[in-house]
Amino acid sequence: DTAVSQTPKYLVTQMGNDKSIKCEQNLGHDTMYWYKQDSKKFLKIMFSYNNKELIINETVPNRFSPKSPDKAHLNLHINSLELGDSAVYFCASSPSGFRETQYFGPGTRLLVL
Amino acid sequence: QKEVEQNSGPLSVPEGAIASLNCTYSDRGSQSFFWYRQYSGKSPELIMFIYSNGDKEDGRFTAQLNKASQYVSLLIRDSQPSDSATYLCAVFNAGNMLTFGGGTRLMVKP
Repeated sequence: DTAVSQTPKYLVTQMGNDKSIKCEQNLGHDTMYWYKQDSKKFLKIMFSYNNKELIINETVPNRFSPKSPDKAHLNLHINSLELGDSAVYFCASSPSGFRETQYFGPGTRLLVL
Repeated sequence: QKEVEQNSGPLSVPEGAIASLNCTYSDRGSQSFFWYRQYSGKSPELIMFIYSNGDKEDGRFTAQLNKASQYVSLLIRDSQPSDSATYLCAVFNAGNMLTFGGGTRLMVKP
């Protein structure tokens, strides 16, 4: 069984559309994250979510919103997609806090045309 | 100044040599330090973490931390072609955020 899974794996869409990426972890972890990796391979944290505490990276536009229906899921919704949103988005989880080892999902490759 | 800095490389070493990967960070309050490996087109996976000053060894890998110099390194002994990947340094800082460096691409040539 995959520990951290994401769907879809690839997402191609037009500018202005709204899309969601789903993430699920079956590790029993309390904390989940969303990262963006751009074309230069720079990995930047977007959100972390732990026991209903949401920490947002202030550089993330408010078009991005995380939604967590339960501890095992953290979805990412993106409104009004822009060309600059094209990147690989990784979901990750860690056992109980931000200091611990993070386990990454396979990534979702988003291309905005 | 970037919070976590790495030389982007590529760092090229012959098979069997020691590869030395370096990382500097700006936040003196940083507490935890991680090295992740990322193969092309794949997700990052943890290699090692280190919390205290000094060396930590795990198989062919050694992490070294010097908090006074704000410097963390990863040594890979007996480098193999399968070690060719991008190595990401990550630092957990006083602001409760994990910040990644830009990564160093390592190429191990047979």
